Amino acid sequence: KAGVTQTPRYLIKTRGQQVTLSCSPISGHRSVSWYQQTPGQGLQFLFEYFSETQRNKGNFPGRFSGRQFSNSRSEMNVSTLELGDSALYLCASSLDATEYETQYFGPGTRLLVL
Amino acid sequence: ILNVEQSPQSLHVQEGDSTNFTCSFPSSNFYALHWYRWETAKSPEALFVMTLNGDEKKKGRISATLNTKEGYSYLYIKGSQPEDSATYLCAPAYSGAGSYQLTFGKGTKLSVIP
Repeated sequence: KAGVTQTPRYLIKTRGQQVTLSCSPISGHRSVSWYQQTPGQGLQFLFEYFSETQRNKGNFPGRFSGRQFSNSRSEMNVSTLELGDSALYLCASSLDATEYETQYFGPGTRLLVL
Repeated sequence: ILNVEQSPQSLHVQEGDSTNFTCSFPSSNFYALHWYRWETAKSPEALFVMTLNGDEKKKGRISATLNTKEGYSYLYIKGSQPEDSATYLCAPAYSGAGSYQLTFGKGTKLSVIP
């Protein structure tokens, strides 16, 4: 079974631009979560989607948004990029959306904002 | 905002040594604890999902215990090997309203010296 894939793997943008990151979950998985990792910080939860519905959102500004399609693929968008948005963005998928389900992580998209 | 503490932040051990580290978390509404291993340049990989007080899990030389009443978990590695070098993350999950969110600690970075 193919794992979680994320595209692109690396991205360089300038301040003020917007960016869209893509995540394809493991086949059959319906829940997709997004995380941000910056130096000195742990993995910080952005949002979780299940069956095309955002079920939970972390403490991030409205510039961060996402969506999930009917095939469970998910995208996240960051508008009006700031230098502090430079980070590794990870998505993770799970079969269902319960507290004991293992999340399987993708390789991440490394975003650099100049 | 949940406070998930992992200690120590980093650890250097000699090959063959056994070691352990701690994850502390709020115990109210606790449902499950996830442990992940994150090797450099790879994706976080699930180790264990623990749900019961007194639960103990084992995977090869790695084991973990859980105390849900006091809100902590220990991860043990017996006879550390260089391939154990990674950052070990814990993430408690809390029950409620069908939402699913893992709150990760900042991790313990383990370096095993050959």
